[in-house]
Amino acid sequence: SQQGEEDPQALSIQEGENATMNCSYKTSINNLQWYRQNSGRGLVHLILIRSNEREKHSGRLRVTLDTSKKSSSLLITASRAADTASYFCATVNSGAGSYQLTFGKGTKLSVIP
Amino acid sequence: NAGVMQNPRHLVRRRGQEARLRCSPMKGHSHVYWYRQLPEEGLKFMVYLQKENIIDESGMPKERFSAEFPKEGPSILRIQQVVRGDSAAYFCASSLGTNQPQHFGDGTRLSIL
Repeated sequence: SQQGEEDPQALSIQEGENATMNCSYKTSINNLQWYRQNSGRGLVHLILIRSNEREKHSGRLRVTLDTSKKSSSLLITASRAADTASYFCATVNSGAGSYQLTFGKGTKLSVIP
Repeated sequence: NAGVMQNPRHLVRRRGQEARLRCSPMKGHSHVYWYRQLPEEGLKFMVYLQKENIIDESGMPKERFSAEFPKEGPSILRIQQVVRGDSAAYFCASSLGTNQPQHFGDGTRLSIL
């Protein structure tokens, strides 16, 4: 069953603007991870945020986690054309002995130069 | 410091043939995951393995699909008697341990004629 649901499905912005993507999930989680996928390529790991953390930063990326609302957001500041890609959130569910990732359908981000 | 290596990148098979997909995890990683991605979809978990053991195969179809991760050599995902519906991108990921980031290969794109 679908766990992460990203919102919006597609986002188009001008270079230099900020991009915000949201993710909602249904079950209790161990951690939530954000990935980027360029067309025809594999997934690149961006950030992992654990269930006891509320915010993490990595360069131009900022991720928040609200476990009471079962939601997360990914903010990309000062976007660049090279940020054009699909972005996925994925959760590792509590009690899932295998630590499998459950993915949403992704947000397709287009950054216009 | 090589990442996760998958081969072949593209594989074409006729209906009824066998497909063998290979995955070499990152150096030092003993946890391997296989995922399948249909067009415009997120990834769906198939199977989680550690060396010589299948830990969780809850995402694997019951028939025709099998996976192994031998003591020596890459992990193999094997699909017997392929059908058109098996056409997809198959991704392998590896991690250092549980609750750690999963790092993905570039995938194998399987096309069934």
